[in-house]
Amino acid sequence: DIVMTQSPLSLPVTLGQPASISCRSSQSLVHSDGNTYLYWFQQRPGQSPRRLIYEVSNRDSGVPDRFSGSGSGTDFTLKISRVEAEDVGAYYCMQGTLSWTFGQGTKVEIK
Amino acid sequence: QVQLVESGGGVVQPGRSLRLSCTASGFTFSYYGMHWVRQAPGRGLEWVAVISDDGSNKYYADSVKGRFTISRDNSKNTLYLQMNSLRAEDTAVYYCTPFDSWGQGTPVTVAS
Repeated sequence: DIVMTQSPLSLPVTLGQPASISCRSSQSLVHSDGNTYLYWFQQRPGQSPRRLIYEVSNRDSGVPDRFSGSGSGTDFTLKISRVEAEDVGAYYCMQGTLSWTFGQGTKVEIK
Repeated sequence: QVQLVESGGGVVQPGRSLRLSCTASGFTFSYYGMHWVRQAPGRGLEWVAVISDDGSNKYYADSVKGRFTISRDNSKNTLYLQMNSLRAEDTAVYYCTPFDSWGQGTPVTVAS
């Protein structure tokens, strides 16, 4: 099974400052079809999850462009260029290359 | 717009069964593989099961294999999760999702 490891697990950030979350997989997420099935989800307090990024770096419709995804192989990153108050919540990476596995989650809070 | 409405959750004793339903609207349900994902209280997201668009392929997390069964009725735009031999550790909010949209979830509590 592929294990997804996020860091940090808690991320205090200052409004207007950048933030970065790392996600590492226990094996390469490059599928035999050539695609890399790595996703990012946001879950605001008391809400259902929402997908932000699919296949490493593609933003979903309606997702602000301050969110970006990057990476390859086993190392991936979600970046928020300038954190806003509405970005508070938990962020999860998930792989869909071999079955499906979520990372433990990273809680973003405002300092 | 896309809507996913889960139902069927509740309080159940260990060892008993429960069937969850998820009714979809606003998209062509029969075109999408569908997943169940759960979230235990205060914990992270856990993938549970997936079914292909036509229902021919199903896969499960090890934690529920042999106890849970995913199914769908494309004529009713509905996804199901039959949960048998429930354990305390199955207590969670259960979401149905194709991943680009999510419902509000239905809570399941397994307790005596």
